[in-house]
Amino acid sequence: AAGVIQSPRHLIKEKRETATLKCYPIPRHDTVYWYQQGPGQDPQFLISFYEKMQSDKGSIPDRFSAQQFSDYHSELNMSSLELGDSALYFCASSLDRRNEQYFGPGTRLTVT
Amino acid sequence: GNSVTQMEGPVTLSEEAFLTINCTYTATGYPSLFWYVQYPGEGLQLLLKATKADDKGSNKGFEATYRKETTSFHLEKGSVQVSDSAVYFCALSGTSYGKLTFGQGTILTVHP
Repeated sequence: AAGVIQSPRHLIKEKRETATLKCYPIPRHDTVYWYQQGPGQDPQFLISFYEKMQSDKGSIPDRFSAQQFSDYHSELNMSSLELGDSALYFCASSLDRRNEQYFGPGTRLTVT
Repeated sequence: GNSVTQMEGPVTLSEEAFLTINCTYTATGYPSLFWYVQYPGEGLQLLLKATKADDKGSNKGFEATYRKETTSFHLEKGSVQVSDSAVYFCALSGTSYGKLTFGQGTILTVHP
């Protein structure tokens, strides 16, 4: 069965640079969620989209922005990167907001 | 706001031992409850879920019962295997838009 695809899987950036993470949900899933997991931490919700509209917002810094496109894929744009942004970024998708979420393998971002 | 508390500290067991990982939650309304498992270097996989009080979720020998009176969702398995070694996250989804709130995670190590 098709799963959630995230790219790239690994990304190394320097401080103050910009990064773009991409997420391709499971086919026919209309809801996308982004989570950030720091080393040894639990995943923290960043933002979600339902039918291409932002549906909820968590602890996402103002330096980050995201959107969901007409084909339902989503991109998380991160600017002015800081060392503390180094983390595993997960995307999850669901069919409608009320159903269980399926997670992608994550993008490991390292900021040096 | 919503919160999830898992038992502290890593758990180390011998193969075929009984496993319990405690999880309690605080939420308004009637949340859905989940257990996710994360193997080293991988994303989060849904292990089981329960959407209403007294529901029992089960999968791969793992079970958890949604106890509203004690606000708990403890994970159990009668006989663990080495391959069960992973990090286990308890999570809840409230009534708005499906974002997940995770517990701190419990590292399980099973020795032969």
